[in-house]
Amino acid sequence: KNEVEQSPQNLTAQEGEFITINCSYSVGISALHWLQQHPGGGIVSLFMLSSGKKKHGRLIATINIQEKHSSLHITASHPRDSAVYICAVRFGGSEKLVFGKGTKLTVNP
Amino acid sequence: EAQVTQNPRYLITVTGKKLTVTCSQNMNHEYMSWYRQDPGLVFRQIYYSMNVEVTDKGDVPEGYKVSRKEKRNFPLILESPSPNQTSLYFCASSLEKSTDTQYFGPGTRLTVL
Repeated sequence: KNEVEQSPQNLTAQEGEFITINCSYSVGISALHWLQQHPGGGIVSLFMLSSGKKKHGRLIATINIQEKHSSLHITASHPRDSAVYICAVRFGGSEKLVFGKGTKLTVNP
Repeated sequence: EAQVTQNPRYLITVTGKKLTVTCSQNMNHEYMSWYRQDPGLVFRQIYYSMNVEVTDKGDVPEGYKVSRKEKRNFPLILESPSPNQTSLYFCASSLEKSTDTQYFGPGTRLTVL
């Protein structure tokens, strides 16, 4: 069965802390998305990964294909990073996307 | 401005009354998709479309229909809504396929009484 697990479900941090959110999946994939859902509900695509590492500003996403695992890191976290972070995976040859349950991040000033 | 629009944004209806949620994108994207987000933040894919007249089921297609007669539009149809379809619905589009960057609409909050 194609499954996606995210951890932690909830995360509270102090401003400036380094944040890591994890996503693991059950079988081989062709791509993994990291999405950010703002408190108002809007969704923004942060990264799409099929291998290696990507960086945008304070956000870094990595993927280890052999270990079936991806991480999203936020350096120097800020209250505006408070949001729900979701990974979504395309398994094999399917065009479907399967989503993790999301990680709710709260960064306190 | 490049965007995905959905209408209506909020809808309260009653069981059995047919409704359509529209989705439109102005980016000439080929891939379009519908998702529902339920309590606990879980997203599940309902239907997706690779191009005009090409649609396929996601993980939870029961009770929904879609059509893709034009590239820019991908309406979601609930022929006979039921309370278990109360949810937050998102439309998204991407250039060609699900591995491309996904652009999401603002969401439609549907309540079925």
